[in-house]
Formats: sequence, C-alpha cells, structure tokens
Amino acid sequence: GIQVEQSPPDLILQEGANSTLRCNFSDSVNNLQWFHQNPWGQLINLFYIPSGTKQNGRLSATTVATERYSLLYISSSQTTDSGVYFCAVERSPGAQKLVFGQGTRLTINP
Amino acid sequence: NAGVTQTPKFRVLKTGQSMTLLCAQDMNHEYMYWYRQDPGMGLRLIHYSVGEGTTAKGEVPDGYNVSRLKKQNFLLGLESAAPSQTSVYFCASTGVLEMFQPQHFGDGTRLSIL
Repeated sequence: GIQVEQSPPDLILQEGANSTLRCNFSDSVNNLQWFHQNPWGQLINLFYIPSGTKQNGRLSATTVATERYSLLYISSSQTTDSGVYFCAVERSPGAQKLVFGQGTRLTINP
Repeated sequence: NAGVTQTPKFRVLKTGQSMTLLCAQDMNHEYMYWYRQDPGMGLRLIHYSVGEGTTAKGEVPDGYNVSRLKKQNFLLGLESAAPSQTSVYFCASTGVLEMFQPQHFGDGTRLSIL
C-alpha cells in the first residue's frame, strides 16, 4: 500500500516563530488532507489539497503532486497551534479511505 | 447540532470480554468510518460504510466487526478483546456531494484491555 512519511517527528518553537512541516508519499494520490489533533485529542481538518496551494489565515499548504510531497506552513505560531499535525492521503477515487502519516508533534512555548 | 458523538468515552475491559462502541452522527452523512490510533502513530482505518446496510474492511479489520443498521449510527464490536486492541478509537463521517467534504471526527473512545 501507499506509504506516508512526515517530517520532522517533533518540533519545538517559541511563540511567533514560523514552521514548515513536510509530508512525502510513495505513489500518486487523488486526495491529500492535513489535520490538526489538539492536546485533548480532537481532530480537525485543516486543508484538502491534492495539488496546488491554499491559505487559511496563518496557515497555508502546498502540494506538488508530480514530486509526491506536501508542505504545511504555519506563520507567527501561537501556543494554540500546539498539537500533532497529520497528513493523510487516498490513492484512488473512492470513499475517502485515508492513509495517515505518523504525524509531526508541534510544541509552541510562550 | 452535536456532530459526531462516540459512546463511551472511556472503557476498561478484561481479555476475552466483548463490547460495542457506538458512533452517532446527526449530519445525515452517507459515509462513516472507524479508526484506531496507537501511541505515537497516525490513525488507521478499521472498517467503513458508504451507506445504511453496507460495511467494508479497511486497513486493520481483524478482531473487529461493524454494523450500520441505521444511517445515523455505526457500531464497532469487539467479540473477544485482546491487549493488542488497547487504543483510542475514533469515528468519523462525511457526506457525498460533488464538492469535497472533510471528515468530521468524534472525540474518541479510550479503550484499555487488561
């Protein structure tokens, strides 16, 4: 099956810093999403981005489908950005059967 | 509008016991999913359903059964619990439209098997 690798596994930053999280995938995909899991375990979808670039406030994401990677940018980090960020993909069109990476744990210190 | 509700939130079982986890959604979504999340890992798909009365296997289905008798409910059963099934279980749902819809997740059920 498709492999999803995220880097770095852990990232510790001071409030106000910028960060870039990377997701590599082993095969072409029709669906790529970024999720945030907060410290209480709740999962929220951030972006649906199988290709191209999207922005939502301080967050933006870019997927280069031909090179099989996606990047999540967080600017001017806040303590509420802390948590685990997951990339998830689906190989071919279907019922959103997502394959998740292992995540990047982001800690923002005040 | 409660979204996706999982019951129970916590449970401790002994090896060999059985139990059912309930997922309920009030968004009239067609698709529903059960995932498990082990420490330090991403979610893995156990089973999913594309509509009332249908179920299908995901990435890690062994040791679990599911049922979707009503559109709003998706049940996950463990017939004979094993310590390897200790995990946090998440349910999710999404609709079927021309435009992409993200999966909405419940808050999780933390299950420990002793």
